[in-house]
Amino acid sequence: SQQGEEDPQALSIQEGENATMNCSYKTSINNLQWYRQNSGRGLVHLILIRSNEREKHSGRLRVTLDTSKKSSSLLITASRAADTASYFCATNTGGFKTIFGAGTRLFVKA
Amino acid sequence: GAVVSQHPSRVICKSGTSVKIECRSLDFQATTMFWYRQFPKQSLMLMATSNEGSKATYEQGVEKDKFLINHASLTLSTLTVTSAHPEDSSFYICSARSPSGLAGGIRETQYFGPGTRLLVL
Repeated sequence: SQQGEEDPQALSIQEGENATMNCSYKTSINNLQWYRQNSGRGLVHLILIRSNEREKHSGRLRVTLDTSKKSSSLLITASRAADTASYFCATNTGGFKTIFGAGTRLFVKA
Repeated sequence: GAVVSQHPSRVICKSGTSVKIECRSLDFQATTMFWYRQFPKQSLMLMATSNEGSKATYEQGVEKDKFLINHASLTLSTLTVTSAHPEDSSFYICSARSPSGLAGGIRETQYFGPGTRLLVL
């Protein structure tokens, strides 16, 4: 079963622009994580935000979490062609299962 | 950092045969491992939760007799796709979590393997 919905499903931007991806989920969570996946490859963990946190930064990444709206956003600033990948949000509920959203396919044009 | 490996990385088999995929945590003990399946251009779907020394817990709609999971040690879980058919062709990814977390890591974080691409002819 999938917990989250992400939008947009696909995003195409120019290098240097910012990319914003949104994720909504349905049930209460312990934390929410964002992952990156290059085509046909494994997952790379980007950032984890706990349910009692509202915002977190890591390099060019900024993640927000609004538990009242059950939503999160991932902002990548000053995007690069190498950021081209699929990005997934994933939620942890009780029992430590990680449930993934549908993902956003980001394409950064050089 | 934590490393989870999978073997094989790619496998092609004939319809009707069984395929075993291994998932190993290389530098930590994983009491719980998870198996996911990903079809092209889709998200990861959790198949089952594998607990060391006990039976796996399968998600709704996943046939436990078709996808056999064995978590015999704290560093190894295996997924066997029995009597594979072309519709089982997919990317299978495992993940592992350490109950106590890792030095410098976050307890809640799962560590994902690189995935195994299965093609059933």
